[in-house]
Amino acid sequence: KQEVTQIPAALSVPEGENLVLNCSFTDSAIYNLQWFRQDPGKGLTSLLLIQSSQREQTSGRLNASLDKSSGRSTLYIAASQPGDSATYLCAVSGIQGAQKLVFGQGTRLTINP
Amino acid sequence: ETGVTQSPTHLIKTRGQQVTLRCSSQSGHNTVSWYQQALGQGPQFIFQYYREEENGRGNFPPRFSGLQFPNFSSELNVNALELDDSALYLCASSHPGQGLVGYTFGSGTRLTVV
Repeated sequence: KQEVTQIPAALSVPEGENLVLNCSFTDSAIYNLQWFRQDPGKGLTSLLLIQSSQREQTSGRLNASLDKSSGRSTLYIAASQPGDSATYLCAVSGIQGAQKLVFGQGTRLTINP
Repeated sequence: ETGVTQSPTHLIKTRGQQVTLRCSSQSGHNTVSWYQQALGQGPQFIFQYYREEENGRGNFPPRFSGLQFPNFSSELNVNALELDDSALYLCASSHPGQGLVGYTFGSGTRLTVV
């Protein structure tokens, strides 16, 4: 059974700092890994998708890496801004049957002005 | 703007009642999944439909059921509501190339059972 863990559960940093969010998963047989952003009470916004054959993806100030063999992914946010404050969720999609997403519990990020 | 629309946005029901939540996916997105997200938790997979057939189910009882229609819309039905069913319900859709582009989520329906 796939399990996804995100560390830390919450993070508060001053504006302008670079930061790293961590995601680990127990079963390396994944199809892809996706990072999402969720604002309070809202739905999920996809940030980055990494295929199982890829090592990293970049979008603007965001960079996500994937090490499938060790079951780890990181989301790097450069030059953080108050608007980056949200909960960040990682999810992996399995290769067997329905490609359901298994989510971590998220990291609640606060960027202080 | 997301291509997945969910309705209603908020709903309050009484324990024991039945509820239907709706999702309208993007054209061509023939796979739709439903997730339940309790407060402070990550979303949990309920079930997935592909071409109007259920093709995967999470650890949810049979009183959670669904339908998918040819026009790429879908429904989540929950019977005999319990207090623990209070959560944000999310719909996610994808097209056959899901492995390349991932899932698109709607904004969710907040269900409160009292």
